[in-house]
Amino acid sequence: DADVTQTPRNRITKTGKRIMLECSQTKGHDRMYWYRQDPGLGLRLIYYSFDVKDINKGEISDGYSVSRQAQAKFSLSLESAIPNQTALYFCATSDATGYSYEQYFGPGTRLTVT
Amino acid sequence: AQSVTQPDIHITVSEGASLELRCNYSYGATPYLFWYVQSPGQGLQLLLKYFSGDTLVQGIKGFEAEFKRSQSSFNLRKPSVHWSDAAEYFCAVGSYNTDKLIFGTGTRLQVFP
Repeated sequence: DADVTQTPRNRITKTGKRIMLECSQTKGHDRMYWYRQDPGLGLRLIYYSFDVKDINKGEISDGYSVSRQAQAKFSLSLESAIPNQTALYFCATSDATGYSYEQYFGPGTRLTVT
Repeated sequence: AQSVTQPDIHITVSEGASLELRCNYSYGATPYLFWYVQSPGQGLQLLLKYFSGDTLVQGIKGFEAEFKRSQSSFNLRKPSVHWSDAAEYFCAVGSYNTDKLIFGTGTRLQVFP
């Protein structure tokens, strides 16, 4: 089984709809991240969480919100989706101990807003 | 501010040829450097990383990278490319006091038989 899972893998929604993307991990890591990937722009950080009570905005948080329901779960919400939020979304985790700083990525969610 | 530049958007090589993907970073202190690979429809997989010590690091799938502080570079190399190496490659920089990564815009590698 994959260590970092994302649901759904693909989603098409309409402008103005609320949508939630979910991320779960079995790695036991404290730190979790949400990124979006757009062609030619690489990965940009939306939100990150260093533990259940610590949530921080990334470089492009406008229009998004997150919830860290448990150490293993980190959800990303689009309260009112708009077409320019069409992108590939990745969840990632990292270990706060051992100073490895490596991030482990889920398979991604392809979101299309029409 | 930290930044990462991957100057090559798209590279095409023949199978069996050597490969070098460029990565330049901007950071005041010693950076932590990473190369990730993204195969079509997949998430990102770590190829290799540099924290300190030997400036030539070995990774998975026959890749290596060399950290050159004087050039602020961390170029990825492979002596003989396989068709399965066709993917997008991302360089990333982090530091010990932020635990956030800054990614480059990626280089798409195409391999011809």
